[in-house]
Amino acid sequence: GAVVSQHPSRVICKSGTSVKIECRSLDFQATTMFWYRQFPKQSLMLMATSNEGSKATYEQGVEKDKFLINHASLTLSTLTVTSAHPEDSSFYICSARAPQSNYGYTFGSGTRLTVV
Amino acid sequence: AQSVTQPDIHITVSEGASLELRCNYSYGATPYLFWYVQSPGQGLQLLLKYFSGDTLVQGIKGFEAEFKRSQSSFNLRKPSVHWSDAAEYFCAVGEQAGTALIFGKGTTLSVSS
Repeated sequence: GAVVSQHPSRVICKSGTSVKIECRSLDFQATTMFWYRQFPKQSLMLMATSNEGSKATYEQGVEKDKFLINHASLTLSTLTVTSAHPEDSSFYICSARAPQSNYGYTFGSGTRLTVV
Repeated sequence: AQSVTQPDIHITVSEGASLELRCNYSYGATPYLFWYVQSPGQGLQLLLKYFSGDTLVQGIKGFEAEFKRSQSSFNLRKPSVHWSDAAEYFCAVGEQAGTALIFGKGTTLSVSS
């Protein structure tokens, strides 16, 4: 089946530093990946759509300069949280559509970011 | 704009009892509809999806869902709940193939013994 690997699963960083989260499609090519943010006990909110070889499309209210997205290959998209602050602490999840699952959306296991 | 409503924030069901989780969507055309389950601190697992065709969709773990266009609903059902089904359930809608999914707020399922 289609697998999306997300790394790291947990990260704690100091306020003001940057953190990179990786999302890899292991057995398929993903021209498009999606990044979501989930606050505790809440739903997933779409942050941006990552397109291979081009600039990401950000949702309204999401700071492009704070959440840098790079989709340099068909199997890897990265989200970098720059100059992280405690309010950036959240659960970040990536997703991609896999042809072998009849174009169902496959999700990574998520990254718990804690900024201290 | 499309939207998804899950009216029930929290449901408690006795083990072995039947389950129905409600989902209503707002979208002009036929949407792509999904149900996902999430365990604490984990990613999402697809239970089932509807694109077209038979309106009764079978999924994994004994779940099924029925698309009712007249009611703009896509309710999730299971005839007999197991304790391991306790989790967060999300209904999601896609505008068309390739766009991001929009999620409902989720329903927390608790299973009592």
